[in-house]
Amino acid sequence: SQQGEEDPQALSIQEGENATMNCSYKTSINNLQWYRQNSGRGLVHLILIRSNEREKHSGRLRVTLDTSKKSSSLLITASRAADTASYFCATDAGDAGNMLTFGGGTRLMVKP
Amino acid sequence: DVKVTQSSRYLVKRTGEKVFLECVQDMDHENMFWYRQDPGLGLRLIYFSYDVKMKEKGDIPEGYSVSREKKERFSLILESASTNQTSMYLCASSFHLSDSYGYTFGSGTRLTVV
Repeated sequence: SQQGEEDPQALSIQEGENATMNCSYKTSINNLQWYRQNSGRGLVHLILIRSNEREKHSGRLRVTLDTSKKSSSLLITASRAADTASYFCATDAGDAGNMLTFGGGTRLMVKP
Repeated sequence: DVKVTQSSRYLVKRTGEKVFLECVQDMDHENMFWYRQDPGLGLRLIYFSYDVKMKEKGDIPEGYSVSREKKERFSLILESASTNQTSMYLCASSFHLSDSYGYTFGSGTRLTVV
C-alpha cells in the first residue's frame, strides 16, 4: 500500500530557483523521511523529521511537517543542475522493523 | 564508507529460472528490506527481516522468498522467474527500533526476465 503521495509528479525549474515538493499521507506516523534517487540508482536518505517537529533544515533543504493535515513539504533552495533527481517521501508508522512506506515520487529537473 | 552492496547491477534471466539476488551490508544493521520499483507504482515492499533467520512478508511477497542466515546478508529468491517480475530491485538496511536514522539503500539490481 502506498502511504505517501507526492505532488507534483514532475517539476521542471531553472537553476537558481527554489523547488517545492509536497507529500500527503494517510495514517499517524512516528517520523517522515525524504529520499533522493538519481536515475537508475538506489535511494539516498536526505532528512528525517519526527512527528513532534514542525520544521527542519539541512543545508539547502527545508522540510516542514503538518500532522493535523497529514502533509509535509520539501523545499530545495537555490537549485542546481545536480539536484535533478526523483524525490520520495517515506513514512514510518512505528511498525515492526521501522518499516517505511514510500510515495510515488516527484521527478525534478533543474535546467542549467 | 558504510554501504549496502547488491551483487549485480544488471541481470537477464529466462522464464522459469530460479534467481538469487544478494545483498550485503557492513553497518551491523538489524533490519534489512527488499523492495521492487516499477514506473508509476513507486517502491513496494516484498519482504523484510528484523533479525537473523526472521522474515516478514511485505505488500507483494507472492512469487518471492528470502533468506537471512547471517546478519549482514539478505537474499531475495525468485522461485520461478516470470516476465512480470522484470523490475528494479532495491535492498535497504536500517538500525533496529531507531527513529533517528533512515534507510541505507544499495544501488539496485535491474532484472529482466525474458
